[in-house]
Formats: sequence, C-alpha cells, structure tokens
Amino acid sequence: DTGVSQDPRHKITKRGQNVTFRCDPISEHNRLYWYRQTLGQGPEFLTYFQNEAQLEKSRLLSDRFSAERPKGSFSTLEIQRTEQGDSAMYLCASSRGGVDTEAFFGQGTRLTVV
Amino acid sequence: GEDVEQSLFLSVREGDSSVINCTYTDSSSTYLYWYKQEPGAGLQLLTYIFSNMDMKQDQRLTVLLNKKDKHLSLRIADTQTGDSAIYFCAESDTGRRALTFGSGTRLQVQP
Repeated sequence: DTGVSQDPRHKITKRGQNVTFRCDPISEHNRLYWYRQTLGQGPEFLTYFQNEAQLEKSRLLSDRFSAERPKGSFSTLEIQRTEQGDSAMYLCASSRGGVDTEAFFGQGTRLTVV
Repeated sequence: GEDVEQSLFLSVREGDSSVINCTYTDSSSTYLYWYKQEPGAGLQLLTYIFSNMDMKQDQRLTVLLNKKDKHLSLRIADTQTGDSAIYFCAESDTGRRALTFGSGTRLQVQP
C-alpha cells in the first residue's frame, strides 16, 4: 500500500467549468476527509465520511461542491461552475477511526481556475 | 468556533534548537498535532499529544502542552537544514475527528 492517492495532481480549468477530483484512501481506513488549502494558509476542513456515510459538511462547502464515497472506498469531490476563488490545493486524508487518530494525507490536487 | 494561531516565521542556525509555538481556543480539544509540509509535498504527521498529557518526547522532538493557557509548543533539538519546512499545529476533539489547523510557521534553518 502506497498511502493516500489523489488524482489528478494538477488541474487547470476555465471559470464556469465543472471539475472532479478522486481520492483513494489507505485500504483499511474507514474515515475519509477532504480539506482545502489556499496559499499561505493551513488546510481547512470541507467534509468527512465514515465508510459511505457523509457525516459532516463545513459551511465552506457551498452548493456547488459535492462529495461522494459510494462504496466506502474511493471518494470524489466535484465542483460545479468553478470560480476563481476555488483555486486552491484540495487535500484528501484517511484514518482508521476509533481510537487511532492519525490521519494520513495525500499529496493533493492543485486546482487553478482561469 | 475553533481557532488555532501560530507565528508566521522562525529562523535558526543549524545545530540550534527550534521552538514553534501555537495557541488554540477550543476547550474540548482532545488531540493536538504537529504536521510538517515541505514544498510540493503533502502533510506529514510528526507527533501528537492527548490533552491529558503535558509533555511528549520522540527522538529530537519534544511537545509541551499547557492546557490551562491552551498553549502548545514543538521543540526540535539539533535542527538540521532538512528540517526547513512549514509546521502546522492542529487540534481535534473526540467527536469530530476533523482537524482545525493553524496558518503554519515557516522554519528556515541557516547553515
């Protein structure tokens, strides 16, 4: 197992287009998180899943954002009608849940909206 | 809501100790973490401490927690040029598990 994998690593899109990112967590991890990181800031929580259930969504996650984890394994994050303010690094993390609190992060998908 | 604050920048000479400080506001914080981020790389967990502890040591790293003042620090002994990176403090509580991060402290190690 090579850790949390995210695809693509970089995405450039025109304003108004839709984009979708994928995250493959570490295989035995049942918790999966999405974060957004803008330049000079720490990551900000967007949403998390326990298996296939989406348990919490941040108020940062506007109606244009949707995340899924259909079979409790990989997850997708879709942004519709992208805006320049969506330009950021989107990070995925996974953890076992329970008393094991360590979250492992992927390398992220850098989105640039032009 | 939760808030985590860090100083923006720290410069030290190679071989010296580095101390990176963090304050947080959430009284229900259960776990406090230090992550390292190098350019172009993901976040790497360095260490974490439970809120019922006041100190944790792991090789060159020492974490001190003052729960009364909601103050967390990371001490790196014998700092090396490879320690140059951005260090993030983060907290979570038992229920949410999601992390609240500070803005990061850029550590520059001069040879």
